[in-house]
Amino acid sequence: DTEVTQTPKHLVMGMTNKKSLKCEQHMGHRAMYWYKQKAKKPPELMFVYSYEKLSINESVPSRFSPECPNSSLLNLHLHALQPEDSALYLCASSLRDREVSGYTFGSGTRLTVV
Amino acid sequence: GQQLNQSPQSMFIQEGEDVSMNCTSSSIFNTWLWYKQDPGEGPVLLIALYKAGELTSNGRLTAQFGITRKDSFLNISASIPSDVGIYFCAGQPLISSGSARQLTFGSGTQLTVLP
Repeated sequence: DTEVTQTPKHLVMGMTNKKSLKCEQHMGHRAMYWYKQKAKKPPELMFVYSYEKLSINESVPSRFSPECPNSSLLNLHLHALQPEDSALYLCASSLRDREVSGYTFGSGTRLTVV
Repeated sequence: GQQLNQSPQSMFIQEGEDVSMNCTSSSIFNTWLWYKQDPGEGPVLLIALYKAGELTSNGRLTAQFGITRKDSFLNISASIPSDVGIYFCAGQPLISSGSARQLTFGSGTQLTVLP
């Protein structure tokens, strides 16, 4: 299995909703990442988990809350988002943090905040 | 943060033509990756480069890690309609202690292939 699987593929949520994005990989990778990508822009790093511990938070607002329940799963909990948070949210994984060998992206969740 | 300058920003070419795009940085990088992204999908790795001077091919794609470790290029030969998409370079900058930073992405090259 050489994939990073993200669900859901599309999500529309109101500004008062709480929702979660999920990411799963079974490649034995011990680093997992959340990125935010606006249209026609490069991915922007949000969070890095290394061995299930949060190692980097790139000054992301607290309405985004990551969670890594185990070495294969990564969640992003969303609460009280703003319309400008609408974007493609990408999960990625690699063998280890800052070791780009096998750096693999999921297909993303297209999030629309209304 | 680290900056990668990717050019051109967009290209319109005829089917069958060759394409070249490049990324440059003021910092030394120890890894260069080239990705292609289709609309609504995540970036897919095309080529990974790990050594200065390395030249690697993947079918019609060829990429090189510049000798100065501050640049990389990607060539696509004999373009076809399915080459359409956004191409991103990504590099891993070194810091003075010799350890590496997180991946830094270029701004992307939007490629359109005309029939």
